[in-house]
Parts: sequence; C-alpha cells; structure tokens
Amino acid sequence: NAGVTQTPKFRILKIGQSMTLQCTQDMNHNYMYWYRQDPGMGLKLIYYSVGAGITDKGEVPNGYNVSRSTTEDFPLRLELAAPSQTSVYFCASMDRYNQPQHFGDGTRLSIL
Amino acid sequence: QKEVEQDPGPLSVPEGAIVSLNCTYSNSAFQYFMWYRQYSRKGPELLMYTYSSGNKEDGRFTAQVDKSSKYISLFIRDSQPSDSATYLCAMGNYGGATNKLIFGTGTLLAVQP
Repeated sequence: NAGVTQTPKFRILKIGQSMTLQCTQDMNHNYMYWYRQDPGMGLKLIYYSVGAGITDKGEVPNGYNVSRSTTEDFPLRLELAAPSQTSVYFCASMDRYNQPQHFGDGTRLSIL
Repeated sequence: QKEVEQDPGPLSVPEGAIVSLNCTYSNSAFQYFMWYRQYSRKGPELLMYTYSSGNKEDGRFTAQVDKSSKYISLFIRDSQPSDSATYLCAMGNYGGATNKLIFGTGTLLAVQP
C-alpha cells in the first residue's frame, strides 16, 4: 500500500516556467489537499478537493491551479513560476469527515 | 494573533528525558486535535488524534487537551534519539465538508544520545 505518492521529489525551475506537481493516492480517499511549507511558517493550505470534479481555494491559492478528474489524482499546476513559490509542497488525503490527513513526502521546488 | 501558536524551539534534551511540547489556540470552535511528527525531508505522519479534553496515551506518547484553557500538549516519555524530529500540532472543527486543518509552525526536537 503506497499511500500518497508525490512526484517529482525535487525540481529547479526558472522564473516564468510552468510545471505540474503530481499527487496520487491509492486509498480511495475522497478528500485531498495541497499545502506549502516554508521555514517557520507551518503548513499553508493552497487548494483542496472533496471529491472528483470538486475543488476549492485554500488560504494561499494565488499562482496555482488544480484539477480533480479522478479520485486518485490531484495535480497542482504552477503557470508562471515566481521566486516566492520556492517551497516544499505536500499533498495529503483523508478518508472520511473528521479523520486524520495522510501526507506524501513532498516536492522540494526551487525557482531561480 | 495566530489561530495556533507553537514554540519553534529548537528543543534539545538528553536521551531518556521527558519531553513536553505545547500549542495554544484562540478559536474555541476547534474540536479535534492532532500531533504529527515530521522527520527531515519527509512528510508529516500522524502520532496522536483526540476529540476530547483530557489525556490520551499511546506507548511513550501522551496527548493532553485542555479546551477551557485552549491548550494542548504532547508528552514523550523515555525519549530516544529516534524521536528527533519536528512536531506539528494541528486542529480542526466539525461543520462543513472541508475539514481544513490549522497547523502550528512546528517544534524542532533533538534528543541527544
């Protein structure tokens, strides 16, 4: 059972480039989340989804987009990379209402 | 004022010590509380999860919640070098389907052998 899998693990982008961070879970969880983690700032919610076809903004959505076409996958898209988006990105999933979230191991993204 | 406050540390203790990690919060609507452990270059993993005030024990770990004081704690007994990690508190409230958690900034713990 792989849980939540994120790819790539590391990436360096140039300013203005775009990329998609992949997240897939094999637990058939309806709820999925994208966070960014910056030093001393904790985890900030970017976007979340309560099921296939349903997404909504979190606390820091600017500069990002998401889609949820299947239960398993929840990709995060950066369209025009900016240095402020240098961070560690975590994807999480949750089985049912009020249950704990399960995290992937993150994507470390640097934008230069 | 942040919704959740957590001392960032770092906290350094000798092996075998009892460790106390704490978070305070301001939103009285929070009704469930979690502690996650995060090793370097890894994702957070759930340690403890509780709904109610009082203590919950799991092996060497005890989670304590005091809703009246808006204060939660994680105690680690007989700490081991393998406990060295960042500990994140998280909390949320019932109501709505979004289940968004609010996280503390994390406390970095180092257990010295």
